[in-house]
Amino acid sequence: QVTLKESGPALVRPTQTLTLTCTFSGFSLTTSGMRLAWIRQPPGKALEWLARIDWNNDQFYSTSLKTRLTISKDTSKNQVVLTMTNMGPVDTATYYCTRESPLSAAAIYTVDVWGPGTTVTVSS
Amino acid sequence: DIQMTQSPSSLSASVGDRVTITCRASQTIFNYLNWYQQKPGKAPKLLIYAASTLQRGVPSRFSGSGSGTDFTLAISSLQPEDFATYYCQQSYSSLFTFGPGTKLDIK
Repeated sequence: QVTLKESGPALVRPTQTLTLTCTFSGFSLTTSGMRLAWIRQPPGKALEWLARIDWNNDQFYSTSLKTRLTISKDTSKNQVVLTMTNMGPVDTATYYCTRESPLSAAAIYTVDVWGPGTTVTVSS
Repeated sequence: DIQMTQSPSSLSASVGDRVTITCRASQTIFNYLNWYQQKPGKAPKLLIYAASTLQRGVPSRFSGSGSGTDFTLAISSLQPEDFATYYCQQSYSSLFTFGPGTKLDIK
């Protein structure tokens, strides 16, 4: 069974750096084609894709947030870490760790597994 | 970045109704389009991928269609558990983007 679980602080002060960890099981991020990504959702708002790391360590970032984000992986621990610098109130959101898999024969990637999410509030 | 739009932004319907939600991409994404359902306080759930393929375990009353820039999610006979928010997402670009969502509630 594939599971993802996010962990990190529930409260972050403005200007601080947020560090979130995704611990996963049931698959390996060393398997060719496997990808893990972070998605967030501010209260009452839409989903926003943030960053992704691939099995070969390629990293991709949201255009609007790329200067603030870093994603990394520790395959020995089955963990992926996202850091976001210079946090502000607009970054208050639920942050989801997700797996992207090529479900179709044409290798169209899809977010097929989601963690339960972790809520982060930015406030002084 | 590829921008995604959805219409309507909200929709009221009754159990048994057929409803459709549309999604448009700012450029062609071929059939790299996925649909998700989200209920309050829960993570989204994949319904349809590659524009029209039903994810395992998803009821057959859900269907997807379209290609290029225009896509549709249809629910043929609404059930009480279908009232939720629906998001489309493109996976053509390396940077995925979501639509703003369509909230489906009970009339």
